[in-house]
Amino acid sequence: QLQLQESGPGLVKPSETLSLTCPVSGASISSTNYYWGWIRQPPGKGLEWIGSVFSSGSTSYNPPLKSRLTISVDTSKNHFSLKLTSVTAADTAVYYCARHDYKAFDYWGQGTLVTVSS
Amino acid sequence: EIVLTQSPGILSLSPGERVTLSCRASQSVSSSYLAWYQQKPGQTPRLLIYSVSTRATGIPDRFSGSGSGTDFSLIISRLEPEDSAVYYCQQYDSSLWTFGQGTKVEIK
Repeated sequence: QLQLQESGPGLVKPSETLSLTCPVSGASISSTNYYWGWIRQPPGKGLEWIGSVFSSGSTSYNPPLKSRLTISVDTSKNHFSLKLTSVTAADTAVYYCARHDYKAFDYWGQGTLVTVSS
Repeated sequence: EIVLTQSPGILSLSPGERVTLSCRASQSVSSSYLAWYQQKPGQTPRLLIYSVSTRATGIPDRFSGSGSGTDFSLIISRLEPEDSAVYYCQQYDSSLWTFGQGTKVEIK
């Protein structure tokens, strides 16, 4: 059974970098033809796709976030990562990692709340 | 970028009723790339439907999807109390994935 679990600080100061990792168990990131993506959900609001990385390392980013965003994959550790720079209070959200293809996001992590505050 | 607009924002219905949720796209969406999710309070979104009308594993057959082009629907044929949730549509186009803003379904 595929499992994903977000990991990282729950509190980040404004203007600093938000960093999260998503270890994957039950499958090898490098051996599957899937994307590994990040989605966020501000408190009380809807879902926003942040960006994704393919098993080969190629990336797709949501245009409004692209200038601040880096998503990467580490096949040796079987995990993928998110870095979002220059954060503000607007980046406060539950961050989910998920597996997906062109059709749908089928496996999700449990989500982790990241609060941006001094 | 394709924008998805869901309506209505909130629905309040009784158990046993038929529910139709709408998802309208700003441009035509490939039928292979339209999905629906259910999110209950405090839980992770769950995939219900992909490719417009294919139910994901373990999804009850009271959930169905239809549509094409720019207009898509999620239908719950007989509403159950456990269907109280927010429902999101999602599409893929040109290396970008987007979600609708969600429809909240409340049970009377």
